[in-house]
Amino acid sequence: AQKITQTQPGMFVQEKEAVTLDCTYDTSDQSYGLFWYKQPSSGEMIFLIYQGSYDEQNATEGRYSLNFQKARKSANLVISASQLGDSAMYFCAMRENYGGATNKLIFGTGTLLAVQP
Amino acid sequence: DGGITQSPKYLFRKEGQNVTLSCEQNLNHDAMYWYRQDPGQGLRLIYYSQIVNDFQKGDIAEGYSVSREKKESFPLTVTSAQKNPTAFYLCASREVRGRGQQTQYFGPGTRLLVL
Repeated sequence: AQKITQTQPGMFVQEKEAVTLDCTYDTSDQSYGLFWYKQPSSGEMIFLIYQGSYDEQNATEGRYSLNFQKARKSANLVISASQLGDSAMYFCAMRENYGGATNKLIFGTGTLLAVQP
Repeated sequence: DGGITQSPKYLFRKEGQNVTLSCEQNLNHDAMYWYRQDPGQGLRLIYYSQIVNDFQKGDIAEGYSVSREKKESFPLTVTSAQKNPTAFYLCASREVRGRGQQTQYFGPGTRLLVL
């Protein structure tokens, strides 16, 4: 069964420093997609970054980058130069049935990030 | 502005009552989804629809129903058969890009509380 594991329930980081949020996944599919979402206290899920299983380069979106290690089945999110507004819950997700009918997202349990001034 | 709207923001349900959560999108996306989030957990799929007039059950469909009469709208009804409906409900629609990237974008959510 496909599964996403986020082992860090909560993390602190100093403002302007970089932080890595861990995510490991389990799948037998060859084609899959990995996502990171941010959920602030307001509740909305905000899409941050995507990595396809066949992408050779790690994805980057502004201050967000995804450290994709396929052999280890990990997809860690790196946030550079943390800002106070980065304080939120972060979810790693995997798309099931790549290109198939469902395209369901499987979510991890999340990591609560607190950025300290 | 394109986006996904959900209403109401907060909803209260009495025992034995059916309630309907609204989800509207003007992104011209074909596929739409309903997820449920319980405290301290990730999201779980309730129902999804790939196209108008078609929808499929997700992992936790019992006690819920949906309709998809228009591309823009995907309302979720929480029926009296759902014994533990208190949760945060999120609607999403799916964008299809090149190279197989299919990203789900979410609405602001509805918090359902049982009185």
